[in-house]
Amino acid sequence: QKEVEQDPGPLSVPEGAIVSLNCTYSNSAFQYFMWYRQYSRKGPELLMYTYSSGNKEDGRFTAQVDKSSKYISLFIRDSQPSDSATYLCAMSAKNLRYSTLTFGKGTMLLVSP
Amino acid sequence: GAGVSQSPSNKVTEKGKDVELRCDPISGHTALYWYRQSLGQGLEFLIYFQGNSAPDKSGLPSDRFSAERTGGSVSTLTIQRTQQEDSAVYLCASSLGSSVSLGNTIYFGEGSWLTVV
Repeated sequence: QKEVEQDPGPLSVPEGAIVSLNCTYSNSAFQYFMWYRQYSRKGPELLMYTYSSGNKEDGRFTAQVDKSSKYISLFIRDSQPSDSATYLCAMSAKNLRYSTLTFGKGTMLLVSP
Repeated sequence: GAGVSQSPSNKVTEKGKDVELRCDPISGHTALYWYRQSLGQGLEFLIYFQGNSAPDKSGLPSDRFSAERTGGSVSTLTIQRTQQEDSAVYLCASSLGSSVSLGNTIYFGEGSWLTVV
């Protein structure tokens, strides 16, 4: 079993839809959870950062962590064509280095106008 | 510069040739990382530099891969005797410090797209 599992998609939705992107993980030591957005032929950029469990909201984006289920989600409200990208989840145990960051394979999202 | 700069953006090379990929991190960032992203795969950690400390090479897939960082700034990733399975995007990233924390974001470059034919 991979440490981090993420459905590769593609996930196709119409503009304005609510999008749910998810990752599951097996390492109970993970405490830092991140979502990166990667546009085609670009490097990943940090979208959301969450420590431990709970929800975090930033504009149209909400990151949710359920440590008991080892499950994290990224919700996008009122999705826009400009949200079309690959979304990577990443996670790390506490106080570790970015060199130990574990990434999911990414989910490709396509938002059609 | 404002962000992490990588060159070349694209590189097509013949099998067996050596390639060098360059990374110029954000000014002031002491930590520098190289990752590899193959088609359909996640980001794979290759090597990490922190200041003047010995690099963490634990992610390098074979002895054909090496990297150096001169003067604590620019880094070069070298792949010797390239193979077709080396075809991937090589991403460089930098951060102020090495620890995962809310105030210490890792910034990625746009990558060097390597194709070995």
